[in-house]
Amino acid sequence: YVLTQPPSVSVAPGETARITCGGASIGSESVHWYQHKPGQAPVVVIYYNSDRPSGIPARFYGSNSRNTATLTISSVEAGDEADYYCQVWDSNTDLVFGGGTKLTVL
Amino acid sequence: EVQLVESGGGLVQPGGSLRLSCATSGFSFSNYAMRWVRRAPGKGLEWVSGISGSGASTYYADSVKGRFTISRDNSKNTLYLQMNSLGAEDTAIYYCAKHLTTPGAPFDHWGQGTLVTVSS
Repeated sequence: YVLTQPPSVSVAPGETARITCGGASIGSESVHWYQHKPGQAPVVVIYYNSDRPSGIPARFYGSNSRNTATLTISSVEAGDEADYYCQVWDSNTDLVFGGGTKLTVL
Repeated sequence: EVQLVESGGGLVQPGGSLRLSCATSGFSFSNYAMRWVRRAPGKGLEWVSGISGSGASTYYADSVKGRFTISRDNSKNTLYLQMNSLGAEDTAIYYCAKHLTTPGAPFDHWGQGTLVTVSS
């Protein structure tokens, strides 16, 4: 099972960033999103498509439909600059990560 | 507070071996599936190996099958990864990660990682 993410997304502070994760019928899967900053441990920002763990700002929003899952970050801040990964678990192929998207805040 | 602390990384020659450890605290270790995930330089996250809470079930990525062995000591709250026949492609930061529940659940906690460098 292959998850396809754009290598990079760039937005100005205060704008909205949308990071996509494409996969065959991904809408029928549970998608999780991780933020990974250099030198730090990855952090889950969205799990089960749209649930936000405690401590994650409401600016982070997840959606999933048909063949594309999307992580939306509104009012982007400099501190949001990181690599973002989508992830699913499929009973046939086990755990799969997307290739990652580097979010640059201009 | 949940804590995951990896150790055991370092510089190893091609063909060599290393054993990584992940000491955990702050949760009932035996109740949760765990994984090792790595990130090679310039690459993305790649899961390496996983294990159920009891240790009865283990999972390996094709890239490490037959070379790596995952295990856990629930009496010591510690996860291990024995890595043999290491190659340059295994150079990466290795993270241990705790599943929210089962091996199919998302990761809710990660360690800071330990660097493995395979080079002559």
